[in-house]
Amino acid sequence: EVQLVQSGGGSVQPGGSLRLSCAASGFSFRSHWMSWVRQAPGKGPEWVANIMPDGSRENYMDSVKGRFIISRDNAKQSVDLQMNSLRAEDTAFYYCAREMDWSWDNWGPGTLVTVSS
Amino acid sequence: QSALTQSASVSGSPGQSITISCTGTSSDIGTYDHVSWYQQHPGKAPKLIIYEVNNRPSGVSNRFSGSKSANTASLTISGLQAEDEADYYCSSYATTSPPWVFGGGTKLTVL
Repeated sequence: EVQLVQSGGGSVQPGGSLRLSCAASGFSFRSHWMSWVRQAPGKGPEWVANIMPDGSRENYMDSVKGRFIISRDNAKQSVDLQMNSLRAEDTAFYYCAREMDWSWDNWGPGTLVTVSS
Repeated sequence: QSALTQSASVSGSPGQSITISCTGTSSDIGTYDHVSWYQQHPGKAPKLIIYEVNNRPSGVSNRFSGSKSANTASLTISGLQAEDEADYYCSSYATTSPPWVFGGGTKLTVL
């Protein structure tokens, strides 16, 4: 059974940093692209970033480029999102998700990130 | 403002069929068959129900079906059941940045 267990998140002041982690099990982690997708309360989801199976390439949405870093450790079967210089508009539920066939077929439970003074 | 346009709400009675539309542009739905649909119940993570326009993941009821015409994708739910009441989101790969775009969601109410 595919499982994605998330940790991290919480409340932080504008300009602060947070690190999200996602531990994967039940599938060949090193064979899949992994994404982070966020969803502000009451809004639609928004793709944030993804990373190649071997970790050699990352992609980011424009508004987080230079502030967020996605990384993965295939030995530990985990993917992280380091979020720096956080802004109020980054407030959202953050989900890690496995990519498959140009979609996300398994999602973590989500973790709330609140950026507020 | 979401890149893909969905109607805010739709409703139907048990046993009926409903269709949710998702309108994009020639930069996303009009170019790629990488259209997916997600069901989200309150307080839960989204769940994939349709990928690549009209494919169902294992375990998803065949009451869910998808299609696409030009720049518009559609999700049809037949034989509505109470547990289908949820928010539904479409997504498409795009030539723009970001490479994936979502709709704003459609709230399905089962009367």
